[in-house]
Amino acid sequence: NAGVTQTPKFQVLKTGQSMTLQCAQDMNHEYMSWYRQDPGMGLRLIHYSVGAGITDQGEVPNGYNVSRSTTEDFPLRLLSAAPSQTSVYFCASSYSNGGGENIQYFGAGTRLSVL
Amino acid sequence: SQQGEEDPQALSIQEGENATMNCSYKTSINNLQWYRQNSGRGLVHLILIRSNEREKHSGRLRVTLDTSKKSSSLLITASRAADTASYFCALASYSGAGSYQLTFGKGTKLSVIP
Repeated sequence: NAGVTQTPKFQVLKTGQSMTLQCAQDMNHEYMSWYRQDPGMGLRLIHYSVGAGITDQGEVPNGYNVSRSTTEDFPLRLLSAAPSQTSVYFCASSYSNGGGENIQYFGAGTRLSVL
Repeated sequence: SQQGEEDPQALSIQEGENATMNCSYKTSINNLQWYRQNSGRGLVHLILIRSNEREKHSGRLRVTLDTSKKSSSLLITASRAADTASYFCALASYSGAGSYQLTFGKGTKLSVIP
């Protein structure tokens, strides 16, 4: 069981370039989320999805786009990279028992540097 | 959305000692979860405590929740060098339309010295 797989593990971009961070899960989870982790800031939610075809914004959505065409995949697109987007990005998936007990399973992260 | 605040930010103890870290928050929650992150890795879920529970155990972990004080604590007993990691509390709150959001604190960095 692979769990949550993120690719690439590392990426260096130049300002203004675009790219897509990939995330795939094989647990048939409904919920998927993208977070960024910056030193001293904890994890901040970028976008999330409660099922295929449904996405919503989190705390820091600006500069990022997402789509969810299948249950398994939840890619994160950086439209025009900026140095402020240098961070470690984590994808997570979870199931819900309807009572809010969403236990999240995290990928290993993508370390992104924007020069 | 609210964020939990962990205390202390960093903690250094000797192997075999107990480690206690705390999490405080401001508004009502559905449940509170603790996660662990080893250096350079993703977060791993440790334990969940519901808002109507006061204490929960899992192996060497003990979690308490005081909803009147809006605080939780994570106790790791008989710590080992392998427990060295960052520990995060995460608050689950209803965000509407049948969904819940999880917001993470900034974490406590635990170092266990052999």
